[in-house]
Amino acid sequence: TQLLEQSPQFLSIQEGENLTVYCNSSSVFSSLQWYRQEPGEGPVLLVTVVTGGEVKKLKRLTFQFGDARKDSSLHITAAQPGDTGLYLCAGSNYGQNFVFGPGTRLSVLP
Amino acid sequence: EPEVTQTPSHQVTQMGQEVILRCVPISNHLYFYWYRQILGQKVEFLVSFYNNEISEKSEIFDDQFSVERPDGSNFTLKIRSTKLEDSAMYFCASREGSTANYGYTFGSGTRLTVV
Repeated sequence: TQLLEQSPQFLSIQEGENLTVYCNSSSVFSSLQWYRQEPGEGPVLLVTVVTGGEVKKLKRLTFQFGDARKDSSLHITAAQPGDTGLYLCAGSNYGQNFVFGPGTRLSVLP
Repeated sequence: EPEVTQTPSHQVTQMGQEVILRCVPISNHLYFYWYRQILGQKVEFLVSFYNNEISEKSEIFDDQFSVERPDGSNFTLKIRSTKLEDSAMYFCASREGSTANYGYTFGSGTRLTVV
């Protein structure tokens, strides 16, 4: 079974600060996705990365897939209260169903 | 923007009762999934469904669980005899394709409470 770990588990920061959260595995994934989940809602897809070393930007969010395709990071610049939520990474290996990490719960204080 | 719709949003049931959770996937999506999330825990895969049959299921998806696509639009999850530990948020998801570049679209979930 492929497992994903995420760190930190919890993160509380002030509005305007930068942050990075991490997703790690001992297994190689062919693709990795990041989702954000708000309380009482389903996860919402942010990005998919498929190539080792790939970097994707979504406004203030920067996603990177590790060269070995075992890890990924999400960097948020100038965090805003609207960024508050549970950030989940999910990995898949060549058509298998995605396995989710436990998430990083981010709280951005005004 | 197209949505995955789940009903009911909340369901309370007595232990041992049967429940059916309903989902309407996005109309042009071909792959359907059920995931669950026990409070405070990770999102766990239950089952995937394609071409009117189960394509993969997890260890959680035992004989008490079944899925059906009865009419070409609805996608249901049935739990035959609920247990206390079945209490969780159940999420339906769909995808247009199965390759890596297709993300899941999740519904808002059904919160199942077994008492």
